[in-house]
Amino acid sequence: NFMLTQPHSVSESPGKTVTISCTRSSGGIASNYVQWYQQRPGRAPTPVIYENKYRPSGVPDRFSGSIDRSSNSASLTISGLKTEDEAHYYCQSYGTANPVVFGGGTELTVL
Amino acid sequence: QLQLQESGPRLVRPSETLSLTCTVSGGSIISSFHYWGWIRHTPGKRLEWIGSIYYSGSDSYNPSLKSRVTMSIDTSKDQFSLSLTSVTAADTAFYYCARRGICTGGSCGLDLGYFDIWGQGMMVTVSS
Repeated sequence: NFMLTQPHSVSESPGKTVTISCTRSSGGIASNYVQWYQQRPGRAPTPVIYENKYRPSGVPDRFSGSIDRSSNSASLTISGLKTEDEAHYYCQSYGTANPVVFGGGTELTVL
Repeated sequence: QLQLQESGPRLVRPSETLSLTCTVSGGSIISSFHYWGWIRHTPGKRLEWIGSIYYSGSDSYNPSLKSRVTMSIDTSKDQFSLSLTSVTAADTAFYYCARRGICTGGSCGLDLGYFDIWGQGMMVTVSS
């Protein structure tokens, strides 16, 4: 089965753009869709990207997703950073041996 | 507006069974387009999918937990449940129930969709 690896933490200033990566350990990143979830402290996760690049209703277009076959990774990009974007972000994909796989999570600090 | 709420003991003794129930309100658990799942989050560690169940009772589990996990569903009560046997301190975590859509863009499948609605979660501690 595969794993999804994310950087432990990233930080950026308000108004800037940040990108969080999610690298698949085996099998192609395009083999299965990737989702992204935001988890603010003390709250349940909420989806911000599904099927690599689509935003659920209500998610601002500052959030975008993509995949890169050359690096076998998915990316979540947040532009025009706001302090409210401070949270942990988790990527998630589907597999065969393990139907649902989550990444280790990335802590985003907006300072 | 559909909501999910976890309930159950917050303290479980080692070697005993952890039992949680998720109550769905504001909608029906009977849906051709959704699975119902349990996910846990150990402080400092990753989210871990435990398992998912369909309204028909069809289920799937994380291979790493499969030998200890059983999920069930009660459509008359709009509830689904989790049972995790032989717990240890490693099972101490925040447990979430969540709804997962499996249909997007007119297509349905177990490799589609995402966990769109989550319960608020509850902390379960395994300790003597």
